[in-house]
Amino acid sequence: DAKTTQPTSMDCAEGRAANLPCNHSTISGNEYVYWYRQIHSQGPQYIIHGLKNNETNEMASLIITEDRKSSTLILPHATLRDTAVYYCIVRPPLVYNQGGKLIFGQGTELSVKP
Amino acid sequence: GAGVSQSPRYKVTKRGQDVALRCDPISGHVSLYWYRQALGQGPEFLTYFNYEAQQDKSGLPNDRFSAERPEGSISTLTIQRTEQRDSAMYRCASSSKLVTGDGTEAFFGQGTRLTVV
Repeated sequence: DAKTTQPTSMDCAEGRAANLPCNHSTISGNEYVYWYRQIHSQGPQYIIHGLKNNETNEMASLIITEDRKSSTLILPHATLRDTAVYYCIVRPPLVYNQGGKLIFGQGTELSVKP
Repeated sequence: GAGVSQSPRYKVTKRGQDVALRCDPISGHVSLYWYRQALGQGPEFLTYFNYEAQQDKSGLPNDRFSAERPEGSISTLTIQRTEQRDSAMYRCASSSKLVTGDGTEAFFGQGTRLTVV
């Protein structure tokens, strides 16, 4: 499995955009980039995923570089409730009869401050 | 149910005892995953199932750990002869499965906090 590298921690002012980087320089051509977050003691929560193209949903945007060696998760208007650990995960595509396990790293601890 | 349900939420056991942790996935989800999470660490993969078949158990730490999902729904993670180092949060997740492609999100339960004294 490809490995990811993320900063240990980041701060962001409330209302500003939070940009969380992730390096995955050994990613294979068919591996997806997933982002999850974990708020305090809750279970991890899915945010977004992508392969090559940039993706956007109601929670965030995912920007993947053209060479796919890095990506950035963007929370456009961070709120205090976005304070969490954010995990960037590289995952191979599912094939029949094989689910895809998620391998979590240490993640980035994002603190949104008033 | 509405989400992934795990029981018990908290379990305190004496060293050497066996424990069984239960996971009830979201109805209709065919993939089920077990993770272990130590304080301040990311979740650590243990094992997963598609339906009743255990597809990957490479993350189980040793042979004291086992898991089953006999009818393709509820799963049990069993730890025999517990040790203090087994103390952690044990989390279960489920997801619907596509035949191919990028898959779908995994939904995590609230976890079982296991303390071995």
